[in-house]
Amino acid sequence: KQEVTQIPAALSVPEGENLVLNCSFTDSAIYNLQWFRQDPGKGLTSLLLIQSSQREQTSGRLNASLDKSSGRSTLYIAASQPGDSATYLCAVRGGANNLFFGTGTRLTVIP
Amino acid sequence: GAVVSQHPSWVICKSGTSVKIECRSLDFQATTMFWYRQFPKQSLMLMATSNEGSKATYEQGVEKDKFLINHASLTLSTLTVTSAHPEDSSFYICSARPGTVGLDEQYFGPGTRLTVT
Repeated sequence: KQEVTQIPAALSVPEGENLVLNCSFTDSAIYNLQWFRQDPGKGLTSLLLIQSSQREQTSGRLNASLDKSSGRSTLYIAASQPGDSATYLCAVRGGANNLFFGTGTRLTVIP
Repeated sequence: GAVVSQHPSWVICKSGTSVKIECRSLDFQATTMFWYRQFPKQSLMLMATSNEGSKATYEQGVEKDKFLINHASLTLSTLTVTSAHPEDSSFYICSARPGTVGLDEQYFGPGTRLTVT
């Protein structure tokens, strides 16, 4: 069964810093990988979707990379802002229906 | 585009009663809908997958008689928690996917907070 791990579990950085969130998965046979943002008590907002054939995706200050063979993905956030504070979840799709979520990284950006 | 709504956003019910949660895809037809449960400070766990017009497929450990799922149309799925107990208190999130191919993105609803007293 696919297992998705995110490190660190929590991260606190001063405003303006660049940061990297890590995601690893045990089964490299995936269709795609998605990064989400979740604010407290809210649903999920999709940030980036990387297909298994792609190496990276960029959206604004966010850049996500995928190394399928090693079972790793990183989410890079440039010039962090207090509004970036949230929990970030990565999820991998291993089949037609199964989306496996990581446990998340809780990010706090200090003004 | 690709908006998914849930109703209600929060609900409090007494133990032993049933509660229904609706999930709607507002601007697309969702061939497949998913229901997830999230306990505090934990990640999302898939409960069941439903395709329009057919019975839902439940994940191991999820009681299908307790969590009734109906996907009657391409824009609406409902989750009914029957005979709710305090341990059913959780955050329930639905998700919808436009097509049947595994590469399509899933779009998530804002979630429903259920509290059973």
